[in-house]
Amino acid sequence: DAMVIQNPRYQVTQFGKPVTLSCSQTLNHNVMYWYQQKSSQAPKLLFHYYDKDFNNEADTPDNFQSRRPNTSFCFLDIRSPGLGDAAMYLCATSRLVGLGANTQYFGPGTRLTVL
Amino acid sequence: EDKVVQSPLSLVVHEGDTVTLNCSYEVTNFRSLLWYKQEKKAPTFLFMLTSSGIEKKSGRLSSILDKKELSSILNITATQTGDSAIYLCAVEEGSSGTYKYIFGTGTRLKVLA
Repeated sequence: DAMVIQNPRYQVTQFGKPVTLSCSQTLNHNVMYWYQQKSSQAPKLLFHYYDKDFNNEADTPDNFQSRRPNTSFCFLDIRSPGLGDAAMYLCATSRLVGLGANTQYFGPGTRLTVL
Repeated sequence: EDKVVQSPLSLVVHEGDTVTLNCSYEVTNFRSLLWYKQEKKAPTFLFMLTSSGIEKKSGRLSSILDKKELSSILNITATQTGDSAIYLCAVEEGSSGTYKYIFGTGTRLKVLA
């Protein structure tokens, strides 16, 4: 009954070699988020999509890009990974309806290692 | 600047103890406050508290939102070793169609047998 699915669960890449992480959801949620979480730190929001509207956090490096081709899928592209980009990348979704508050659901995460 | 602060940063207790974790926030447009439990994987949702639902309870866990004090507590009674985890507090904030979650740094709880 997986609701937010991330692939791969573990990704190893080389310094500077582009990598793409994927997220899919079966919840039909209209908002999808990408977070970066480093060891012993809180998740840090990179960007989110509200439907097709892309919202980038001001301090998200240009090295990070995202695509959302449809409601179910969202991708995180790291164009030139550096050693400092090694982290857990969490995808999350929520359903924004009217003015009501929303529960956010997380995928299992992709742990990225940069060699 | 919007921020969420959790305390204590870490806590060590013995099985059977009761713990209280704190979360305080300063955000422009508060919508809800969420508690998550994170073990060695993605955060797992525990509770969501809003202006219309300021107290939640599930088994040994309970949480209260104090909108006047801009804070929330998470209580765990009769702790068990399986409660050992990082507990994250997140505040949903936003308006005019742009919403996001701001996380605290978490409280690391260790329950000793």
